[in-house]
Amino acid sequence: GAVVSQHPSRVICKSGTSVKIECRSLDFQATTMFWYRQFPKQSLMLMATSNEGSKATYEQGVEKDKFLINHASLTLSTLTVTSAHPEDSSFYICSGGVGMNTEAFFGQGTRLTVV
Amino acid sequence: AQKITQTQPGMFVQEKEAVTLDCTYDTSDPSYGLFWYKQPSSGEMIFLIYQGSYDQQNATEGRYSLNFQKARKSANLVISASQLGDSAMYFCAMREGYSSASKIIFGSGTRLSIRP
Repeated sequence: GAVVSQHPSRVICKSGTSVKIECRSLDFQATTMFWYRQFPKQSLMLMATSNEGSKATYEQGVEKDKFLINHASLTLSTLTVTSAHPEDSSFYICSGGVGMNTEAFFGQGTRLTVV
Repeated sequence: AQKITQTQPGMFVQEKEAVTLDCTYDTSDPSYGLFWYKQPSSGEMIFLIYQGSYDQQNATEGRYSLNFQKARKSANLVISASQLGDSAMYFCAMREGYSSASKIIFGSGTRLSIRP
């Protein structure tokens, strides 16, 4: 299957700072990638759809000014958590795919802890 | 709007037994895909099996099979001969349409624990 590489796998940051998470498709070109957030013992909740060369589409209730998404190339999408607060501590995971009738390929996920 | 429902928060199964994880869905789109993913404690998402809405036969992948009941809008995962390594969270998911550019939404998950 296709490979999606996500970095960092873990990050601890101070409250008020910003954190950038990278998601790279290593062996395919992803015009669209998806960002999910997962709180402990909960499901994956879609935050936004990242579109190469255009603005991201955010799900209802997700603050676009807080969670900045950039998809400048066909192989890289980034999620920046701005002015992070403890309530932003969560597991963030990206996914992408190619073609039709195929599974989504996930990055390894990033565990963010805001202290 | 698309919706995925998993009604079993947790299940305990004896090793080597078969187990069925329930999943129902709702969508008005005639073209859709159904997925099952496994998530161990490490957090990675492991793809298990896929079923397209127009697929005539139930999907199978090794010990995994998907019991697709289209009229009932159910897509249960069957794991045969369970192993200790099967202990994990299992998520049912759905995509409306077939394109990889369409978003996938997830059910609430079932935590499966295999007893030795």
